[in-house]
Amino acid sequence: DQQVKQNSPSLSVQEGRISILNCDYTNSMFDYFLWYKKYPAEGPTFLISISSIKDKNEDGRFTVFLNKSAKHLSLHIVPSQPGDSAVYFCAASNPGANNLFFGTGTRLTVIP
Amino acid sequence: GAGVSQTPSNKVTEKGKYVELRCDPISGHTALYWYRQSLGQGPEFLIYFQGTGAADDSGLPNDRFFAVRPEGSVSTLKIQRTERGDSAVYLCASSLYLNTEAFFGQGTRLTVV
Repeated sequence: DQQVKQNSPSLSVQEGRISILNCDYTNSMFDYFLWYKKYPAEGPTFLISISSIKDKNEDGRFTVFLNKSAKHLSLHIVPSQPGDSAVYFCAASNPGANNLFFGTGTRLTVIP
Repeated sequence: GAGVSQTPSNKVTEKGKYVELRCDPISGHTALYWYRQSLGQGPEFLIYFQGTGAADDSGLPNDRFFAVRPEGSVSTLKIQRTERGDSAVYLCASSLYLNTEAFFGQGTRLTVV
């Protein structure tokens, strides 16, 4: 049973425009959410996170939005750059737990 | 090196054989995690260690899988009687303490033929 879902396997965006990656979850107990970025032949790299007590967290070009009532979060990248091209994974964890539940990933391609 | 190191980077083995996958965490990191990523899927949790002890092994799929971390640093994931379905990328991650940011290694791609 997939508790974290990324329904868009791929996304293409023009350089300089906004990239919006979406993630839905089914477990209402999740209290911490993360986005990881993965290049080929490398492990996932932490990008940004958000606690369930917040609805927005911003770090430079990256902003994560959390809508708890909809069990939905999104990652906004603006402006998008070609170096942002990678697979993005959404992940979530339960209170006090240390393992992460990952989505299946979205491949972002930023076109120069 | 400064990051999490996993060896080998690639492993091809025959069905039924035994394999060991090694993870060198970032020095000083007390928490260590193993995940498995199958083709087209996100990483799936297998086990995590706090120090030398396995704090949660609920993600291990069956008793063919076992992991150790005898000195609280390097960890080895052991798979007995490998099956074709075990083919995946096995990812290791470490964090300074539990509930802090985890850093992933590049993974070991295991192929069982």
